Formats: sequence, structure tokens, C-alpha cells
Amino acid sequence: AIQMTQSPSSLSASVGDRVTITCRASQGIVNDLGWYQQKPGKAPELLIYLASTLQSGVPSRFSGSGSGTDFTLTISSLQPEDFATYYCLQDHDYPLTFGGGTKVEIK
Amino acid sequence: EVHLAESGGGLVQPGGSLRLACAASGFIFTDHYMDWVRQAPGKGLEWVARIRNKVNSYTIEYAASVRGRFTISRDNSKNLLYLEMNSLKTEDTAVYYCTRDAIRGAFDIWGQGTMVTVSS
Repeated sequence: AIQMTQSPSSLSASVGDRVTITCRASQGIVNDLGWYQQKPGKAPELLIYLASTLQSGVPSRFSGSGSGTDFTLTISSLQPEDFATYYCLQDHDYPLTFGGGTKVEIK
Repeated sequence: EVHLAESGGGLVQPGGSLRLACAASGFIFTDHYMDWVRQAPGKGLEWVARIRNKVNSYTIEYAASVRGRFTISRDNSKNLLYLEMNSLKTEDTAVYYCTRDAIRGAFDIWGQGTMVTVSS
């Protein structure tokens, strides 16, 4: 199975900060990667797919990059509504696997 | 409006069975892969199973942790997705979400989730 190593597992940041979250795949997955945001008690929401394509309706402060094994989710200017947990998902090979999650908390 | 709604969760004893359903609306159901994803209390997300679309003959994939115990299926005449769960274990306790696949890595629509608790 492809392992998705997500880092950091948590971070504290202030409104307006630039935040970067990374996912590393244990083998190449081309660009078959999505990023999700989950708030407590809610279903996850798709932010980015195919590593760098912004999902319709998602604010442009979110961006994704990477290919092969190394991927990054960037929030250019953190907003109060962005405090949540973020997950990556690889859909290149079975079983599909999620990263362990990154909890973004208020500093 | 595109919408998914799960039902069928509840409390079941270890070794028991449960069938989850997911009602889809607002899109052409047969065009899409559909998946089940679960989340144990306080834990991360885990992919459970996938059923492909009509073009791909509705073929199926499972996570190793559920293969042989869970069965994913779909009733395309009713726009329903199912997850039949047998031989349930305490570690199957989780919120179960159904999701629509738009493209690889893109689960673009999620249901609200249904809680399954396996406990004696």
C-alpha cells in the first residue's frame, strides 16, 4: 500500500499567516492527489484535486503543488474560517490512502 | 442540488451485521464512481470501498481491513449506494461517509455521515 506521510501533524498560526502542509507518498503517484478540509463534526470538503486544481467555490488563498512523491498545500493568508484539520488523499493505486491529517490551530 | 444522504447506522454487537444506504440526488448517478470512507472517533479518514461507474462495469475495490466482510453495491434504478457490513468488529466503530468521485483524488460530494457503533 502507498503510505502518505503528512506533516506537520499540527501547527499553530495566526490570522494572516502563510501556512504550508506537506504530504509525501511512499512511491510515485503522478498527480493523483487531493486535499481536504474537515471541521469538527462535519464531513470533509474537497479543496484541491489533481494536486494543483482548485475545486470550484474554494477561495484562491488555497493552492496545491507537487507531483511524483512530494506535495504541498499552501494557505497564503490564513483566515478565521480556515482553522480545521487538513488531509491529503492519493487515488493512484489501491488501497486509496489518506495522510494522517494536519490540525491547524489558532496561535 | 447535488446531495448524498446516508442512513442505516446504529449500535450492533461484535459479529453482527448492518446495511448502510446512501441516497444520491441531483446528478447522473451511473456516471460516477462512488466510495465509502470512514472515520473512527478522534481519528483520521480511512477509505473503505469503491464501486466504479457504468462505463467501467461497476467493478469494485476494497480496503484490506474490510475485504471479505463488507460488500459495496449500488441500485442504479433508485440512485442508492449500499454498504453491507458483516462480521463486525469493535474496530469498525466509526462515522461512515458516502462520497462521489469527480476524478482521481477528487471526492467532491460527501454525505453527512452515519455513525456505526460495534459494542457488546
